[in-house]
Amino acid sequence: GAVVSQHPSWVICKSGTSVKIECRSLDFQATTMFWYRQFPKQSLMLMATSNEGSKATYEQGVEKDKFLINHASLTLSTLTVTSAHPEDSSFYICSARVRGSTGELFFGEGSRLTVL
Amino acid sequence: AQRVTQPEKLLSVFKGAPVELKCNYSYSGSPELFWYVQYSRQRLQLLLRHISRESIKGFTADLNKGETSFHLKKPFAQEEDSAMYYCALATGNQFYFGTGTSLTVIP
Repeated sequence: GAVVSQHPSWVICKSGTSVKIECRSLDFQATTMFWYRQFPKQSLMLMATSNEGSKATYEQGVEKDKFLINHASLTLSTLTVTSAHPEDSSFYICSARVRGSTGELFFGEGSRLTVL
Repeated sequence: AQRVTQPEKLLSVFKGAPVELKCNYSYSGSPELFWYVQYSRQRLQLLLRHISRESIKGFTADLNKGETSFHLKKPFAQEEDSAMYYCALATGNQFYFGTGTSLTVIP
């Protein structure tokens, strides 16, 4: 099946720094990728929909200047958490849909961000 | 507006007992519905989708358009079924997830 890979899987950073998380579709092209945030023992919260070659669509309440999303190619989307604060500590998950498909999402393994 | 509702946050059943995880959706068009599962320390993965009408790991889910439901069922729960289950609705380019139900199967 299709594989989505995230890197890094765990990152610790100091408050005020920026962190970039990569999401790659390894064996398929994805015109659409989704970024989610998951709090401990809670559900997925959709942050934004990333479309290749265009601006991301952010969900209400998500700061676009805080969470920068770039979908530069059909296999890579990046989420940059700018000027990170401890409250940004969370588990960030990306998912991708096969290009041309209206079917299932394939999920990355997630990236745990800890801001000190 | 909440498009996918999973009313039970936590559900516990004994091994061998039937289990039903509820999911209701809100969508005026033709829905495409999925169940995703997340086992401990693993990534989310697709369990089943309504258009395939198949049974995966003993689970089935039937789309009821009249009741706008897509409940997940299994006649005999197993310990390895303990996980987080998410119902999802796909509409065009958007994917909406429910809040999830944590299922615990008691030995």
